[in-house]
Amino acid sequence: KAGVTQTPRYLIKTRGQQVTLSCSPISGHRSVSWYQQTPGQGLQFLFEYFSETQRNKGNFPGRFSGRQFSNSRSEMNVSTLELGDSALYLCASSFTVMNTEAFFGQGTRLTVV
Amino acid sequence: AQRVTQPEKLLSVFKGAPVELKCNYSYSGSPELFWYVQYSRQRLQLLLRHISRESIKGFTADLNKGETSFHLKKPFAQEEDSAMYYCALSGLRNAGNMLTFGGGTRLMVKP
Repeated sequence: KAGVTQTPRYLIKTRGQQVTLSCSPISGHRSVSWYQQTPGQGLQFLFEYFSETQRNKGNFPGRFSGRQFSNSRSEMNVSTLELGDSALYLCASSFTVMNTEAFFGQGTRLTVV
Repeated sequence: AQRVTQPEKLLSVFKGAPVELKCNYSYSGSPELFWYVQYSRQRLQLLLRHISRESIKGFTADLNKGETSFHLKKPFAQEEDSAMYYCALSGLRNAGNMLTFGGGTRLMVKP
C-alpha cells in the first residue's frame, strides 16, 4: 500500500505570494489532517477534513485554508505569505474520524523569502 | 484547552540503560494519548497508544490520570531507539483526529 504522498517536497516563495500544497492519503483513508512544524512552535494542528468537510480547525489566521476532494485528496493554501510561514507542512491520513492512527507524509518544506 | 508538555528536549543514555521519556498533559475530559516516533530521515509514525495497552519495540506507557502523565518507558535502551519522540493527545472523542503534540524529546542512545 502506498503511503501518504505530499507534493511538492520543497518550495521557495516570496513574501506576499500564495502557495498550494497537495496531499494524497493512503487508499481507503477518508480523514486528512494538516500540521505545521517549526523549530519554535513544534507541531501545530492546522485543520482536518473528512468526506470533503472540514471537521476541526486549529488556531491559525484565515490566510490558511484547505479543502478535500471526493477522492479524499486534500490541498492546503496559504495566501499572502509571511516570513513566519516558513515551515515543514505535514499531512496525515486516517481511516476514520474515531481517534485512529494517523499516517504521516514526508512533508513539504516551505521557505518564504 | 488541551496541552501536552515534554519537559526534556534531549535525553542521552547508554545502551542497556533504562529509559523514561516524560509526558504530562492538560485536558478536562478523557483523553486519548499517543506516542509518535521519528527516526532519522523517516516519517513520523505511531509507536503506541494507551488504549491498546501494547508493548511495542519494548516500549510501554501507562496513563496516570491522577498525575495527568503518560510517560514512555523501556527497561534496556538500544542504539536503534535513537530518535525524536512526540507525545500527543486527542481529546475530541468521536469528533476527529486532531492531535495536540508535545514539543518532543530527542533520545540519544550511546554505545
